[in-house]
Amino acid sequence: GAGVSQSPSNKVTEKGKDVELRCDPISGHTALYWYRQSLGQGLEFLIYFQGNSAPDKSGLPSDRFSAERTGGSVSTLTIQRTQQEDSAVYLCASSPRGGPTEQYFGPGTRLTVT
Amino acid sequence: GENVEQHPSTLSVQEGDSAVIKCTYSDSASNYFPWYKQELGKGPQLIIDIRSNVGEKKDQRIAVTLNKTAKHFSLHITETQPEDSAVYFCAATAGGTSYGKLTFGQGTILTVHP
Repeated sequence: GAGVSQSPSNKVTEKGKDVELRCDPISGHTALYWYRQSLGQGLEFLIYFQGNSAPDKSGLPSDRFSAERTGGSVSTLTIQRTQQEDSAVYLCASSPRGGPTEQYFGPGTRLTVT
Repeated sequence: GENVEQHPSTLSVQEGDSAVIKCTYSDSASNYFPWYKQELGKGPQLIIDIRSNVGEKKDQRIAVTLNKTAKHFSLHITETQPEDSAVYFCAATAGGTSYGKLTFGQGTILTVHP
């Protein structure tokens, strides 16, 4: 079946602009995660959604970052007033259920802030 | 929080040889340990995982071992092939308040020479 999809695949933006990144999880998966992959920090957790529970936002690096998940499916990660240090690959993963179990990643969105 | 250390950072082998990548973790509550393979320009792909109630798991040429007492786990690839060349990441996660969010090692660049 279809895997996790993300859009856009690449995004170049000017410093100070807002960006929105989209994730479509695998159908039926209740858990959704956002991670960031950068040269200096490796792969790091950002935010987690599970069903109708309040999201775990403990990994968001600043209040410029926010995310929502509508209807328990599609998720959008928003970065306001982008900075050069936000340049990274943003990865989304979904899982059939919450907790310690397999996560399937999308191809990522490469964000470049100029 | 959890900390995962991964070694080596780079590994070069001849086709047909075995490759071993090792990881240690810090949180004794961690109970799920996946391994991911990432090819250039793609998202991480889950290749094998192991839970804390199992000491070893094998899938064709790939095996993972877990030593809970020492808090380390390893990936073993036998009969390596050029298409095994990629970056490999280990990860760990606990249940409870960690909600299954993954903490990753820094990655190992595996190169298999024909």
